[in-house]
Amino acid sequence: AQSVTQLGSHVSVSEGALVLLRCNYSSSVPPYLFWYVQYPNQGLQLLLKYTSAATLVKGINGFEAEFKKSETSFHLTKPSAHMSDAAEYFCADRDTSGGSNYKLTFGKGTLLTVNP
Amino acid sequence: DAGVIQSPRHEVTEMGQEVTLRCKPISGHNSLFWYRQTMMRGLELLIYFNNNVPIDDSGMPEDRFSAKMPNASFSTLKIQPSEPRDSAVYFCASSTTRYNEQFFGPGTRLTVL
Repeated sequence: AQSVTQLGSHVSVSEGALVLLRCNYSSSVPPYLFWYVQYPNQGLQLLLKYTSAATLVKGINGFEAEFKKSETSFHLTKPSAHMSDAAEYFCADRDTSGGSNYKLTFGKGTLLTVNP
Repeated sequence: DAGVIQSPRHEVTEMGQEVTLRCKPISGHNSLFWYRQTMMRGLELLIYFNNNVPIDDSGMPEDRFSAKMPNASFSTLKIQPSEPRDSAVYFCASSTTRYNEQFFGPGTRLTVL
């Protein structure tokens, strides 16, 4: 079964600093990868998605992620953190094999704190 | 577009009571998903509907859980009887097809005392 690992359940950065949230996937078939953000008391919102068209994917709110097959990684970055980026971030992989290609496997999430 | 609508947003009930969670997907979306989020297990897919038909309910914890989708604009997740370990946030999500981006509702926070 595929799995998604997010290194670091909690990341704290200063406002204006680089944000780096790590995600590694395990699927042996080409993955369909997503990053979602969850603000307090809200549902998940799609930040960006990788669908094999380009290895560097740009998303909303200045976030981007780079797909690296050799490292089985899809890390999320933002050059300069803003206070409004404080939220929980989830990496997910969609099952692209067989008949269960609707299933998203989520990582455990990374809580991002931005300090003034 | 109003997005995915869930009700209630918060539910507090006592063990043994029946709980019904409701979801209205985005109009035109024909795939609907129910998820449960807990600290211990993260986000888990409970059940997936396509065109109102349950396709995969392998994530439903046990017979106390049931889900229905009587039409394209409404789905329910029922727990009967509820137990304290069912306390979690339950999300409904919808998408245009099984492959596309899933849009999540705001969730229902369930507390079973």
